[in-house]
Amino acid sequence: AQSVSQHNHHVILSEAASLELGCNYSYGGTVNLFWYVQYPGQHLQLLLKYFSGDPLVKGIKGFEAEFIKSKFSFNLRKPSVQWSDTAEYFCAVGGWNTDKLIFGTGTRLQVFP
Amino acid sequence: EAGVAQSPRYKIIEKRQSVAFWCNPISGHATLYWYQQILGQGPKLLIQFQNNGVVDDSQLPKDRFSAERLKGVDSTLKIQPAKLEDSAVYLCASSLAVSSGGETQYFGPGTRLLVL
Repeated sequence: AQSVSQHNHHVILSEAASLELGCNYSYGGTVNLFWYVQYPGQHLQLLLKYFSGDPLVKGIKGFEAEFIKSKFSFNLRKPSVQWSDTAEYFCAVGGWNTDKLIFGTGTRLQVFP
Repeated sequence: EAGVAQSPRYKIIEKRQSVAFWCNPISGHATLYWYQQILGQGPKLLIQFQNNGVVDDSQLPKDRFSAERLKGVDSTLKIQPAKLEDSAVYLCASSLAVSSGGETQYFGPGTRLLVL
């Protein structure tokens, strides 16, 4: 079955701490991978995506994610978080020739000054 | 560039009543999606339109949910009759291209539905 697992449901960090959010997927065939973010009171928006090429993907606001095919993972990282990174983060997977996305349950990140 | 518009933002109804949600995608976007997001879960695709045709409605509960996209632009999602378990946020999204994979989806603010 197609699915996405986000193991961290709620993460609390202090500013300047490093961040890594886990994402594992189950999906047959070639995949496209996404991280979407929802800041408080705002819409879901794309943070970064992987669809081919370099497995290390850089996104907005200093975020990056690494696609490790052998581990079916696409973990999100940021070396130093800011209070403004407080948000809910969703990992999603799609097939190479389809725009249908399977989302994980999300990780709520709280960053304290 | 205007984003995806949705209305209403909030709706409270009693079970067995009907409700409709409206979405206006970003101008020129060929693909439109409706998602259901239940509290504590990620968005789940209900239906995907490509212009005014349905690409995927495999997870749409067709006995009570219906959706249409008139003239390949605006779309409405209807629930009739509503059940308690339909309480959720209904998200509309759009993307520029046609089923090419890897497309960025742009989301609207959502409609929060509470069924009592």
